[in-house]
Amino acid sequence: SQTIHQWPATLVQPVGSPLSLECTVEGTSNPNLYWYRQAAGRGLQLLFYSVGIGQISSEVPQNLSASRPQDRQFILSSKKLLLSDSGFYLCAWKVDGYTFGSGTRLTVV
Amino acid sequence: RKEVEQDPGPFNVPEGATVAFNCTYSNSASQSFFWYRQDCRKEPKLLMSVYSSGNEDGRFTAQLNRASQYISLLIRDSKLSDSATYLCVVKNDYKLSFGAGTTVTVRA
Repeated sequence: SQTIHQWPATLVQPVGSPLSLECTVEGTSNPNLYWYRQAAGRGLQLLFYSVGIGQISSEVPQNLSASRPQDRQFILSSKKLLLSDSGFYLCAWKVDGYTFGSGTRLTVV
Repeated sequence: RKEVEQDPGPFNVPEGATVAFNCTYSNSASQSFFWYRQDCRKEPKLLMSVYSSGNEDGRFTAQLNRASQYISLLIRDSKLSDSATYLCVVKNDYKLSFGAGTTVTVRA
């Protein structure tokens, strides 16, 4: 079956610390993968998308980056977190529609 | 102007009532339209796609008006379990644009 995994579920990080969020998918090959962020009371904002290994497109300039080292792995990173990076981060893939992972709730303190 | 705009609500309705709400989108070239449901602190899940001719899925009816660039969702015979935030979603090429959501609370 096709599944999407995302971890950790919650994360509290100090300002200036690094970040690494991982998303993996199973049951398919060469999926389109997406990172979204949902800030409190706001709609989901597309951060990055990838159509294949090593292919990353950025939607919003900021201190975040993404990488796709393997076909089914998508990583969101930051070298130094800002308070404004707090939010609900969701990985998604396109398989007959868009399916989201369970998300990571990040609080930067 | 936001790509997708929704009335945030909340819509507080009794069980069994009908509730309806809209969203508007700015890009007239948008290709596909969806309603997603998001429960508190959970990921969004696809509720239904929206087709030009209008479509139903059980108690849920979605309508699309391309001329006026709005999408609607109607919930009949509301259940307590329908309490959630409903996200209007518009697809342009590879990208999904989300509204901020309409909150519906169904009370006993």
